[in-house]
Amino acid sequence: SQKIEQNSEALNIQEGKTATLTCNYTNYSPAYLQWYRQDPGRGPVFLLLIRENEKEKRKERLKVTFDTTLKQSLFHITASQPADSATYLCALDPYQAGTALIFGKGTTLSVSS
Amino acid sequence: EAGVTQFPSHSVIEKGQTVTLRCDPISGHDNLYWYRRVMGKEIKFLLHFVKESKQDESGMPNNRFLAERTGGTYSTLKVQPAELEDSGVYFCASSQTRTTNSPLHFGNGTRLTVT
Repeated sequence: SQKIEQNSEALNIQEGKTATLTCNYTNYSPAYLQWYRQDPGRGPVFLLLIRENEKEKRKERLKVTFDTTLKQSLFHITASQPADSATYLCALDPYQAGTALIFGKGTTLSVSS
Repeated sequence: EAGVTQFPSHSVIEKGQTVTLRCDPISGHDNLYWYRRVMGKEIKFLLHFVKESKQDESGMPNNRFLAERTGGTYSTLKVQPAELEDSGVYFCASSQTRTTNSPLHFGNGTRLTVT
């Protein structure tokens, strides 16, 4: 079946370390992949978009990679801070047809000081 | 600019009752989406409006759900009659362009509890 998997439901790291979150998908050929952040009681907030012909995208302390051969995207937060604690969602367009995004379940990141 | 607003933030109703959720997208955003997150599951697509027209309603669970977007501005999602499995958080999102490389701007959701 077609699906998106995010590596784990929860990830706990120490402040200052790099957090790496994984998004794997099967049976899709997305043109884009997006990452969102969601805080408790709030809606998802867009962070980054990466296209299929881009290997890597950076924004401040965030870095996203996209490997269409492995069908995987990695999301990195360097020099993590307690304020980075949230749930991170990956989303993609499944059929490159302008259809709506589908989402993974998310990984909840906890950064302790 | 004002973000996407949803009303109410919470709703508790009994099985069999009717509930109407409202979404006000960002001004000028022609594309409006409804999503739902059931506890423990991923956020799932319900439907997509382009202006006042339903572009894709393939995610609507059944005919107890009715979405409208009269005049292409705000949208309502009515559940009638509500069932226990309809409980969850209903998110509305809007985007300026239709292509899926546009980021979605989400509201904070309506938490619906059906007892």
